Amino acid sequence: EDQVTQSPEALRLQEGESSSLNCSYTVSGLRGLFWYRQDPGKGPEFLFTLYSAGEEKEKERLKATLTKKESFLHITAPKPEDSATYLCAVQPGNQFYFGTGTSLTVIP
Amino acid sequence: NAGVMQNPRHLVRRRGQEARLRCSPMKGHSHVYWYRQLPEEGLKFMVYLQKENIIDESGMPKERFSAEFPKEGPSILRIQQVVRGDSAAYFCASSPPSEFGSPLHFGNGTRLTVT
Repeated sequence: EDQVTQSPEALRLQEGESSSLNCSYTVSGLRGLFWYRQDPGKGPEFLFTLYSAGEEKEKERLKATLTKKESFLHITAPKPEDSATYLCAVQPGNQFYFGTGTSLTVIP
Repeated sequence: NAGVMQNPRHLVRRRGQEARLRCSPMKGHSHVYWYRQLPEEGLKFMVYLQKENIIDESGMPKERFSAEFPKEGPSILRIQQVVRGDSAAYFCASSPPSEFGSPLHFGNGTRLTVT
């Protein structure tokens, strides 16, 4: 059965303290892995697409990487405005399967 | 605003009433997905539509729920005879008419409260 697991569920960081979020997946025939950011009361905002193992994408303080079994979202020197829930999704076919997210809080 | 537009943002219905949620996809997008989100839970797939066609409705309850995406106008998610358990945030997302691997772009959701 296709499955997406994100860890940790919640993460508190001091401003400037770098860390990584994990997304593990078991799907047959991955067409794409997607990272989103969701703020309270808003819809998910698209961040990155990764298609194949070894691929990396960067945007400001965020860098996403992909292996055959998991993806990491690395956050370098985070700021309070990076506080949000980060969602991972995989697309094996028509559907997109989402993890339950990592709630990130960055303390000034 | 060229993003995915959902309305209303908040909807309150009494048990037994009907709820209609509307979604206008991004310009140029012809694929629409509906998802449901409960607090502390992930996004749960409900239905995937293209213009005038339901492609995959495997995530939608067979009773009381229906969806459409007509040739003209927004996509509609309709919930008949709502119950308290239908209270949730419903998100619509759209993608372009291209091959697999295009990301979904989401609206800001409709928060349905059933009293």
